Amino acid sequence: GEQVEQRPPHLSVREGDSAVITCTYTDPNSYYFFWYKQEPGASLQLLMKVFSSTEINEGQGFTVLLNKKDKRLSLNLTAAHPGDSAAYFCAVSAGTNTGKLTFGDGTVLTVKP
Amino acid sequence: NAGVIQTPRHKVTGKGQEATLWCEPISGHSAVFWYRQTIVQGLEFLTYFRNQAPIDDSGMPKERFSAQMPNQSHSTLKIQSTQPQDSAVYLCASSSGRINQAPLFGEGTRLSVL
Repeated sequence: GEQVEQRPPHLSVREGDSAVITCTYTDPNSYYFFWYKQEPGASLQLLMKVFSSTEINEGQGFTVLLNKKDKRLSLNLTAAHPGDSAAYFCAVSAGTNTGKLTFGDGTVLTVKP
Repeated sequence: NAGVIQTPRHKVTGKGQEATLWCEPISGHSAVFWYRQTIVQGLEFLTYFRNQAPIDDSGMPKERFSAQMPNQSHSTLKIQSTQPQDSAVYLCASSSGRINQAPLFGEGTRLSVL
């Protein structure tokens, strides 16, 4: 089955720095990709979904890049601030059941003032 | 709009007791999912319903775990004879069921088995 590797497991940056989290996956049939943010004690908050073969999506303060050729997905927080401190998870889905997700192990991001 | 509602938020059971976890999906969502989150295993898919029908339970442990969706407004996850290794946060999610819609998660039920 699908395997998703997420790196790094922990990331500490200064306020205003960029932070990059990367996931690689194994199933070439994977088609749907998501990033979730989880603050301590809270649930998973959807950040971004991306579907196209190679796509850059921009959100509020972050960019998501999908490279299906390399089976790689990345999340780039362009100018991190302390409120971005949280765990981030990538999730991958194949086929028509987009709810059956395979998650990466998560990255705990700490943004220091 | 209320999000996915899970009750209770915390549940403590003794080893061997039964635990029932409840989930109310977002109104109008036809797909309901259960996941489990632990430090060691991370986020694991358990089971999935569409229009109340069980579609995929490939992640459910074969024994002691069962899930039901008796109506469109709630789903339950039941664990019989709970064991310490069942301790986890159990997350319910729902989606509209359309092909490109991400599941939206509830706040979870933290189950502690003593």
